[in-house]
Amino acid sequence: DAMVIQNPRYQVTQFGKPVTLSCSQTLNHNVMYWYQQKSSQAPKLLFHYYDKDFNNEADTPDNFQSRRPNTSFCFLDIRSPGLGDAAMYLCATSRVGNEQFFGPGTRLTVL
Amino acid sequence: GENVEQHPSTLSVQEGDSAVIKCTYSDSASNYFPWYKQELGKRPQLIIDIRSNVGEKKDQRIAVTLNKTAKHFSLHITETQPEDSAVYFCAAKLTGYALNFGKGTSLLVTP
Repeated sequence: DAMVIQNPRYQVTQFGKPVTLSCSQTLNHNVMYWYQQKSSQAPKLLFHYYDKDFNNEADTPDNFQSRRPNTSFCFLDIRSPGLGDAAMYLCATSRVGNEQFFGPGTRLTVL
Repeated sequence: GENVEQHPSTLSVQEGDSAVIKCTYSDSASNYFPWYKQELGKRPQLIIDIRSNVGEKKDQRIAVTLNKTAKHFSLHITETQPEDSAVYFCAAKLTGYALNFGKGTSLLVTP
C-alpha cells in the first residue's frame, strides 16, 4: 500500500562519517525529489531527477550527492555529515505537472 | 526564480471559528498551487490544490481561492476542529520545475 518508502526512518551517524538514505516508490513517477527540512522550517529542495536528468539546486552543498539507478529508487549520499546537516530528509515523487507525494522522511542525527 | 510569501506565521483560533492563511507568489507563469498540512514529526500531506485556470476550489471544510492578477492565493478552513492544528505550507509551481514553498503557518485550534 505504501507509495513512497524511505529507509531508514531514523539514522544516527558520527560527524564526518558518510551516510546514505534511500527512497523507493511504487507509483512509477518520473520525477523524484530530495528535500531537507529543519525544525520549524519549510522543506528545502536539495535536488531532483526528471527521469535520469539530475537537477541540482544552486545552494545545495557539494557534501550532498544523489543517485537514481532506476525509476523506482533514489539515494541521498551525505559524504561528510556535519552537525548542521541534522534534519528530516524527505523524498517526494510526482508526474510532471502533478501533485507531489512525500515519503515519511528519515530523521538524521549527527553526533 | 519563484518566491512565495506566506502569512501569518502563527494563527490561533477557537474551535468552530474559521481560519484563513494567505500566500503571494512572484512568478506570473506559476500554474499550480498546492497546500500541504504537516503534523509534528510527520510528512507533508496534500490537502487541496488549485490550478491557474480555476479561481476557487472547495473540499468539505477546506477551500482555496486564487487571484492571478494579484498573484495571491488563500486557504480557508471553516468550522475548525482541534485536529486541524498543524503547520500548513502553501507552494507555487511552474510546469517542469519543483515546488517553491512558503515558510509555513502554525495553526492552533483551541477547544
